[in-house]
Amino acid sequence: DAMVIQNPRYQVTQFGKPVTLSCSQTLNHNVMYWYQQKSSQAPKLLFHYYDKDFNNEADTPDNFQSRRPNTSFCFLDIRSPGLGDAAMYLCATSIDQERIQYFGAGTRLSVL
Amino acid sequence: DAKTTQPTSMDCAEGRAANLPCNHSTISGNEYVYWYRQIHSQGPQYIIHGLKNNETNEMASLIITEDRKSSTLILPHATLRDTAVYYCIVRVNSNSGYALNFGKGTSLLVTP
Repeated sequence: DAMVIQNPRYQVTQFGKPVTLSCSQTLNHNVMYWYQQKSSQAPKLLFHYYDKDFNNEADTPDNFQSRRPNTSFCFLDIRSPGLGDAAMYLCATSIDQERIQYFGAGTRLSVL
Repeated sequence: DAKTTQPTSMDCAEGRAANLPCNHSTISGNEYVYWYRQIHSQGPQYIIHGLKNNETNEMASLIITEDRKSSTLILPHATLRDTAVYYCIVRVNSNSGYALNFGKGTSLLVTP
């Protein structure tokens, strides 16, 4: 089945050690998103790619970066993870600005 | 985007209909009502959306009041697997940014 796949499901990193989370999709959607969801909170958009164009949300910390080498893959890079960056990271896709977004299962990041 | 108000939590017996309300009294004429749900430790899942007419799909029904100030998501025969947080989101369909503003949602517990 076409889907959004996130790897790994669980990631443990050390304080300050760079970490990369990955997302792939077989839906051939042109928009890909990264959301952060902290415990007991709603998901919050960090940034998105519209085709190759990167769009950062105004309050996304500089510590978070993203790469999209092709339509199918998107990466979330956290340059120097802090304890406050422990969260579930969700990747989603959509066709253009349609409100229907398709989410992956998420990667739960722990920072020690 | 219009603000939404949902009850914090609801219970429903397995096999019965689950009726989840959402108030969106400031909704404007071009804003749609979307419902997503998030099962524990999974990514959000699109359920249904509508503008002013009632909608039904294989997952649920959406009833929107005539004045569009409130809506109800109906799961006709709730199962244990429907236990999740349900988010009501009001958005225009295009040209208004990309973030899904999930709000606090309703935590639905389906009991045996």
